[in-house]
Amino acid sequence: SFELIQPSSVSVSPGQTASITCSGYKLGDKYVHWYQQKAGQSPVLIIYQDTKRPSGIPERFSGSNSGSTAILTISGTQSLDEADYYCQVCDIRTVVFGGGTQLTVL
Amino acid sequence: QVQLHESGPGLVKPSQTLSLTCTISGGSISSGGYSWSWIRQHPGKGLEWIGYIYYTGSTYYNPSLKSRLTISLGTSNKQFSLRVTSVTAADTAVYYCARGKEFLSGSSSSAWFDSWGQGSLVTVSS
Repeated sequence: SFELIQPSSVSVSPGQTASITCSGYKLGDKYVHWYQQKAGQSPVLIIYQDTKRPSGIPERFSGSNSGSTAILTISGTQSLDEADYYCQVCDIRTVVFGGGTQLTVL
Repeated sequence: QVQLHESGPGLVKPSQTLSLTCTISGGSISSGGYSWSWIRQHPGKGLEWIGYIYYTGSTYYNPSLKSRLTISLGTSNKQFSLRVTSVTAADTAVYYCARGKEFLSGSSSSAWFDSWGQGSLVTVSS
């Protein structure tokens, strides 16, 4: 079965750029979607189809996908961005999530 | 703006059947271009996709859970349900229903979850 690998945790200082990776076999051949989940809340879609932002998602969130790695980039990270982030793809009529990355802003 | 809401028992005994219903407001299951999923999250863990259903009734399940799962449509266009049989403590989780936006272009296809319910904690315990 298809696997997505994310780092378990990433730390960033306020105002700096955070990069969260998501790796999988030939991942660049698939569309990658990203979700933000704050403590005690439901996940929220923040990036879809590798690079697109849903309405209402700040421009500081961006995505890329090439080769075997997709990257979620948060520019000018704010304390309110502290959350868990999950990547997701579809593979042969199934859905796969990455294990999630806990972003700490300190 | 579509909203989803999970409902069902919060406590299920081991070996029994877990049943949840997702109720949709501001939209309907018959809306084209969407699938309707169940996703769960074990305490302190990541997201696990369970399965989804289309308005046609076609279903697709996580292979690791398939033998115990049934996802079905409700009697209205506003509900779909999840049944998990023979539950154990390993089925204790927050269960989410979510709407999947489908994308199909040539040989390329995908789906992403653009609306989620608030989640329903189900505990399996005697």
